[in-house]
Formats: sequence, C-alpha cells, structure tokens
Amino acid sequence: DAKTTQPPSMDCAEGRAANLPCNHSTISGNEYVYWYRQIHSQGPQYIIHGLKNNETNEMASLIITEDRKSSTLILPHATLRDTAVYYCIVRSDTGTASKLTFGTGTRLQVTL
Amino acid sequence: DTAVSQTPKYLVTQMGNDKSIKCEQNLGHDTMYWYKQDSKKFLKIMFSYNNKELIINETVPNRFSPKSPDKAHLNLHINSLELGDSAVYFCASSHDRAFAGELFFGEGSRLTVL
Repeated sequence: DAKTTQPPSMDCAEGRAANLPCNHSTISGNEYVYWYRQIHSQGPQYIIHGLKNNETNEMASLIITEDRKSSTLILPHATLRDTAVYYCIVRSDTGTASKLTFGTGTRLQVTL
Repeated sequence: DTAVSQTPKYLVTQMGNDKSIKCEQNLGHDTMYWYKQDSKKFLKIMFSYNNKELIINETVPNRFSPKSPDKAHLNLHINSLELGDSAVYFCASSHDRAFAGELFFGEGSRLTVL
C-alpha cells in the first residue's frame, strides 16, 4: 500500500483558505488519492478524490502535482465547522477488492 | 433518514461476554465494511462484503465474525470479548466494490470492555 505523510496539526483563521499537504511518493500510476475528514466523535466523511488532474467540488479542491508524489487539499473559506482530522489516503486495489488505509491525518483547528 | 445506521451506539460489557453490533444502509449500495478505530485514533479496515460475499478479511482474530444476511445489512459478532477490543467500530458502505473509495460511514458504535 502506498504510504502517505501528513503534518500532525495545522491552524487556520476562519474565512481564510486552509491548505493541507500530503506526500505520497510511492504512489503507483493507477492509484487514486482520496481525502476524508473526521469531525470529533463522528464517522469519517468523504471529501474528494483524484488521479492526475486537479479536482473541485462543493467542499474543496484537490491539487495533485504533475509527478503525483504529493497533493494539497484546499478548503477555500474555512469555517469553525471545518475543524476536524483530515486524512489523505491512497486507495489500494487487489484482484478482488479495493480498500482505504487511513493514516494518522492532520488535525486542522480553525480559529476566530 | 440515516443513510448508514449502527446499533447500539454505546456498548459496555464485561470481558468474556459475546456481543453484536448491527449495521444497516438504505442507500442501495452493494458493498459494506467494518472499520475499527482504537484509542490512538487509528482507523483500520476489518472486513468487507460485496452483495453478501466476503471480499476483504484483514488480520482479525477469529473471535470476530461478520454476517451479512442481505446486502443492506452487515452485522459484527464478537465472542469472548477482551480488553483490547475496546474501540469505536464504524460501519460503512459504497455503491459497489469499484467505488470502494467513496465510503459512507455510520456514526460509530463505542464498545467498552471492562
């Protein structure tokens, strides 16, 4: 499984963009990058995923470097409700199934 | 309507007991999962079923036995509970095994073994 590395914690002021980095230098050519977040005591929530191209949805943007060895999740206008642990995951595929292996994530604290 | 629902939400029991956690999804998904989140917050996959067929079985003690009576339900039975089984157990589902990255998680079931 491709391993991901994230900073353990980050702070962001409310209203500003939160840029969460992730390194995945051992990623294979057909492996997707996924981002989830877990707000305290809740189940993880899917945010976005991508393969090569940058992606955007109503929650966030995902920027993947050209060599695919790293990516950045961008929350354009962070709010207090975005305080959570954010997980960057590389999806691994076996012959019969795919699975997500969660790492330790980045704890994002959004402050006033 | 809750998409992925788990019961019970909290479970406190003694070592050696047997307990079950139930999970139901009303999303029409084919694939369901059990994840375990321990006290250090590591979230690890345990099992996955696709349309009642077991497709992922990680290195989990055989005291843990998943059962899927139909594709909308995936229950987790744990025999002879041990202290180390204390954790939050999350059920999840995805459209099918090809969408295994887009998981919908339940709210979790916190198991405490005394």
